Amino acid sequence: AQSVTQLDSQVPVFEEAPVELRCNYSSSVSVYLFWYVQYPNQGLQLLLKYLSGSTLVKGINGFEAEFNKSQTSFHLRKPSVHISDTAEYFCAVRNSGYSTLTFGKGTMLLVSP
Amino acid sequence: DTAVSQTPKYLVTQMGNDKSIKCEQNLGHDTMYWYKQDSKKFLKIMFSYNNKELIINETVPNRFSPKSPDKAHLNLHINSLELGDSAVYFCASSPRQGIGELFFGEGSRLTVL
Repeated sequence: AQSVTQLDSQVPVFEEAPVELRCNYSSSVSVYLFWYVQYPNQGLQLLLKYLSGSTLVKGINGFEAEFNKSQTSFHLRKPSVHISDTAEYFCAVRNSGYSTLTFGKGTMLLVSP
Repeated sequence: DTAVSQTPKYLVTQMGNDKSIKCEQNLGHDTMYWYKQDSKKFLKIMFSYNNKELIINETVPNRFSPKSPDKAHLNLHINSLELGDSAVYFCASSPRQGIGELFFGEGSRLTVL
């Protein structure tokens, strides 16, 4: 089975501050990891993905994430957030051999001036 | 051109009615999915089709019947709608089964009164 835990349901932060959204997964086999963003009343957009190779993955809009196999984590970071980053962020995992993504419950990032 | 498009975007109906949601992708992908997002934003896989064949059916009531006339289309028909069916339904596609990320449509918000 594959599962994902997003520890924070909501993260409030001030504009231009750094942010980290936490994601832990459970798996006993090779995994592929993803972060998606969902703006209000919209679909999900891929921010970044880890399939193999370098454990530090850079994505769109200045986001990056680090795959840590020993801690089974894939935390998302941004050094300086903007108001426009306010959205729901989803971490997702797929084990090798599975065809679907399993999503975490999401973290709402609230950026205020 | 929208890569994954769903219609309708909004659907309001009475309990007991039957309704359909249509999905089309123009990415040339082999695999398509239906996900359900509940009021708490939790995303859960419902169905997955690969080249028009059903490969995943995740304990969804048999009132839900997906149909894939060709690999670019995956429709969802729901019979005898219940209040608990109210949710946002997302269609998604991926290049091949178990390969790469999912590309999502904008979602179809179903409200059952």
